[in-house]
Amino acid sequence: QVQLVQSGDEVKKPGASVKVSCKASGNILATLGFSWVRQAPGQGLEWMGGISDYNGDTFYAQKFQARVTMTTNTSTSTAYMEVRSLKSDDTAIYYCVRDLEGGVAAYWGQGTLITVSS
Amino acid sequence: DIQMTQSPDSLSASVGDRVTITCRASDDIANVLHWHQQKPGKAPNLLIYGASIMQSGVPSRFSGSGSGTHFTLTISSLQPEDFATYYCQQGSSAPRTFGQGTKVEIK
Repeated sequence: QVQLVQSGDEVKKPGASVKVSCKASGNILATLGFSWVRQAPGQGLEWMGGISDYNGDTFYAQKFQARVTMTTNTSTSTAYMEVRSLKSDDTAIYYCVRDLEGGVAAYWGQGTLITVSS
Repeated sequence: DIQMTQSPDSLSASVGDRVTITCRASDDIANVLHWHQQKPGKAPNLLIYGASIMQSGVPSRFSGSGSGTHFTLTISSLQPEDFATYYCQQGSSAPRTFGQGTKVEIK
């Protein structure tokens, strides 16, 4: 089993940046990397991108390519996701995920609510 | 991008009913299709991966089938704890898209 603990909820103003952390523990060697998925209020799940444990390669959904950076600290098994130039429609719960082969979102963090409001 | 379309968007069912949810992919994804369950206020939880392989700890009343572009999730006998929203997700190519979700409600 893998456990993921994310940083706390935040409120940001439009135009600001936010950085969310996600610490993994447990049998993480059975998994391949981190992904990030967000969920706007009352909406479905939206995959944002991911980062490989093997070589640190990142891959982003096109709509997030310019504003999002995903990184990891392998020594602490912690992932980070920074979103810049926040807009009101970035208000959502952001989940980190540990992936299995085949893009399986196998283990989910508890979620971090980011509220963007003036 | 591969589009994932679930049907129905929602359904009402009774405890003990057999429930089937369908997921269609806009392109061939072989069996790289996964199902997640999400209860209100909670993070999603992986149920099935590789179209038909149950995640450890998932009750045997859940099953998945399909390949290519057409997939189904079946709950053989709906239990009170199964009322939730279910999402399919393809892992064949980036971006790893999700279906819009199917909400299973109590009749």
